[in-house]
Amino acid sequence: GDSVTQMEGPVTLSEEAFLTINCTYTATGYPSLFWYVQYPGEGLQLLLKATKADDKGSNKGFEATYRKETTSFHLEKGSVQVSDSAVYFCALSDMSGGSNYKLTFGKGTLLTVNP
Amino acid sequence: DAGITQSPRHKVTETGTPVTLRCHQTENHRYMYWYRQDPGHGLRLIHYSYGVKDTDKGEVSDGYSVSRSKTEDFLLTLESATSSQTSVYFCAISDRLAGEGNEQFFGPGTRLTVL
Repeated sequence: GDSVTQMEGPVTLSEEAFLTINCTYTATGYPSLFWYVQYPGEGLQLLLKATKADDKGSNKGFEATYRKETTSFHLEKGSVQVSDSAVYFCALSDMSGGSNYKLTFGKGTLLTVNP
Repeated sequence: DAGITQSPRHKVTETGTPVTLRCHQTENHRYMYWYRQDPGHGLRLIHYSYGVKDTDKGEVSDGYSVSRSKTEDFLLTLESATSSQTSVYFCAISDRLAGEGNEQFFGPGTRLTVL
């Protein structure tokens, strides 16, 4: 079945540092890939997405590129801020096998950015 | 922000007690979902709905039932709560299927503690 593996962290960085959170996936078809972010005490919200190979999703300075050859969708940001402190979830949705209604989530990565 | 509310936001109950959580949306979205969030597991789908009175099981549906009598309301019921159901519960909505690269919008969550 479908699965998502992401680095579990926690990740602690200083402000203005470079961020990478690794995400790899297994899927039977051609999935859409997502990064969701959860700020403390809130629900998840979509950060960015990509729907086909080589697509790059970007938002708020974050980027991720859909790499079919390595089945990866790593999240990057060149200069993190304290306000980026949150839990980040990689997720996929697969059109095949009748499971196109659902998101499959990774376990989440807690990011803490210190001033 | 998508109009999604969950009630109650916090609940403490005892083992064996029935519990109902409510999700209410004002977006008129067709699809509604219940997830649970647990440390080390990310989010896991409990049940989902693809229309009024149309529901189906997710990956962790044992011990849970749902009902959707109106487009805007999706109820999650724990018939006889157990300590293993202590978790944070999130409702989500979408107007199209995630497999087409479409976003799910999440509510603020309900923290349930079963003693």
